[in-house]
Amino acid sequence: EMVLTQSPGTLSLSPGERATLSCRASQSVNSRFLAWYQQKPGQAPRLVIHGASSRATGIPDRFSGSGSGTDFTLTISRLETEDFAVYYCQHYGTSPPLTFGGGTKVEIK
Amino acid sequence: EVQLVQSGAEVKAPGESLKISCKASGYTFATKWVGWVRQMPGKGLEWMGIMYPGDSDVRYSPSFQGHVTISADNSITTAYLQWNSLKASDTAIYFCARGWSGLPSPFDSWGQGTLVTVSS
Repeated sequence: EMVLTQSPGTLSLSPGERATLSCRASQSVNSRFLAWYQQKPGQAPRLVIHGASSRATGIPDRFSGSGSGTDFTLTISRLETEDFAVYYCQHYGTSPPLTFGGGTKVEIK
Repeated sequence: EVQLVQSGAEVKAPGESLKISCKASGYTFATKWVGWVRQMPGKGLEWMGIMYPGDSDVRYSPSFQGHVTISADNSITTAYLQWNSLKASDTAIYFCARGWSGLPSPFDSWGQGTLVTVSS
């Protein structure tokens, strides 16, 4: 079963800084099937990136995704106050379970 | 506009049964996968299972197989998550979500979540 390990657990940054979030898979992943979600307190998750590097509808271009194989990265180039949230990666292959990572919390320093 | 509207919060005793719902609108319900995701208090997201309403194909996570049932009623564009015997450890928020295309696809629209509390 696929395991996704996200690091760091918490990232403390100031608005305007760059955020780099990591997602490491226990086995090689087809990069077409790697997504990132954003979840704010009391809200449902929101799709941010799909196919490892494609922004979802309405996502600003300060968000970018990259990676291949077992290592993937979500980068937020300049943090805005609305970007402080928890981010989850997900492998959405065809065989269950379609695993989520444990999450990275981006908090205001 | 795609919308998924979930049923309200529930408080149940251990051993009771429960069926929560997810009403879809704004798209052709039968042609998109609908999944369920658990979030235990203060914890991360857990993928439970997914269903294609068009042919009732259901796929479960091994962690949830046998403990929950996913179903749908195409006539009222509603998906369901059901338990026959709740446990205290089922206390969580449950989200339904739509897959934007066939498998594999990410979840592009989400319900607001249903809080289920299981307590004696």
